[in-house]
Amino acid sequence: DAGVTQSPTHLIKTRGQQVTLRCSPKSGHDTVSWYQQALGQGPQFIFQYYEEEERQRGNFPDRFSGHQFPNYSSELNVNALLLGDSALYLCASNCWGLAVSGDTQYFGPGTRLTVL
Amino acid sequence: GESVGLHLPTLSVQEGDNSIINCAYSNSASDYFIWYKQESGKGPQFIIDIRSNMDKRQGQRVTVLLNKTVKHLSLQIAATQPGDSAVYFCAENFLQVLDKLIFGTGTRLQVFP
Repeated sequence: DAGVTQSPTHLIKTRGQQVTLRCSPKSGHDTVSWYQQALGQGPQFIFQYYEEEERQRGNFPDRFSGHQFPNYSSELNVNALLLGDSALYLCASNCWGLAVSGDTQYFGPGTRLTVL
Repeated sequence: GESVGLHLPTLSVQEGDNSIINCAYSNSASDYFIWYKQESGKGPQFIIDIRSNMDKRQGQRVTVLLNKTVKHLSLQIAATQPGDSAVYFCAENFLQVLDKLIFGTGTRLQVFP
């Protein structure tokens, strides 16, 4: 049973560039959420995708956009990168609907983005 | 705004002792709480969860307690082992549909032999 996978593991970009991060959800899951985790902080919710639509969004600018594909995988795109975008980007997946005990959001290993 | 915070940034315990990690939340409408463990270089790993209609839930060596009166959540780890060393986060969900989780800043647990 494959867990949540993310690619790439590490990425280095310069200010102003654009980046695309990828996520494949856990087998059987149809909902993908993206989080940004700055060093020493807890993850911050960016947005969530279900049925190829953005369902919820956190307090992030429009430079952050996403997409979900028919196979439930997802991409996170960040345009016009800033130094402050340097962080660990986490993808989490779950089944849409009520949170059944133990069937919560499962996280991938993350993509470490460094903006120079 | 809503927030989930932790009282202690670092907790040091002796191997074999019990550990207690605390968390305060501010939104009384939260109905679902989760504890995650995050080891260096890895994503958060689910430990245990609890719904707002419960006060206590036990897992393997872990117990989560929820006190809605004072909006407090705790994670108890019995017989702490070196492998328990990590950063622990509590997270809350505001809606019945699992969507965004609100995380605190985390508590680092250090286990000494």
